Amino acid sequence: AQKVTQAQTEISVVEKEDVTLDCVYETRDTTYYLFWYKQPPSGELVFLIRRNSFDEQNEISGRYSWNFQKSTSSFNFTITASQVVDSAVYFCALSEAFKGAQKLVFGQGTRLTINP
Amino acid sequence: SAVISQKPSRDICQRGTSLTIQCQVDSQVTMMFWYRQQPGQSLTLIATANQGSEATYESGFVIDKFPISRPNLTFSTLTVSNMSPEDSSIYLCSVVKESSYNEQFFGPGTRLTVL
Repeated sequence: AQKVTQAQTEISVVEKEDVTLDCVYETRDTTYYLFWYKQPPSGELVFLIRRNSFDEQNEISGRYSWNFQKSTSSFNFTITASQVVDSAVYFCALSEAFKGAQKLVFGQGTRLTINP
Repeated sequence: SAVISQKPSRDICQRGTSLTIQCQVDSQVTMMFWYRQQPGQSLTLIATANQGSEATYESGFVIDKFPISRPNLTFSTLTVSNMSPEDSSIYLCSVVKESSYNEQFFGPGTRLTVL
């Protein structure tokens, strides 16, 4: 069975600090997709990134970066120079590749608070 | 991406009543899903809404409690029946478009409180 673990329930940092959100996954599939979503206080889920299991290149998008390590089954998310607007709950998710983005399995989420 | 709207955005309901939540997408989509997010919890898939046929429910969810309709490729409804306080949650609609098969987009959610 597929499983996603986000061991950090809550993280609180001061603005401008760098912060890393951990995500560890379990799957018996050799091909799969990994996702990160952001859920701000307003409640909507904002898509951040998708990574397939064949692409281990790290990705950077502005202040956001993702580190995918198949050897440790991890897909960690780093925010550089954090800002108050980054405060939200962040979810890591996994799906079977042949189903595309269908039937996502979510981790428990990490509540990130950026203090001014 | 896809523009998804949900109605109502929030509601407060009495125990034993039912509420129907609507999900409207701005373009035709391949797949539509309904998720539940209980307070402080993660998202759990309730069912896949199938166009023109019965929804496919995940373990722990049944049609009598959560009837779903999907009359066309842009619209779906989820009914929460015979509500109890345990049904207080955010209910989210999501879609997968054929053109972006590997991305799932979520609606703004419906925040339900059952008294």
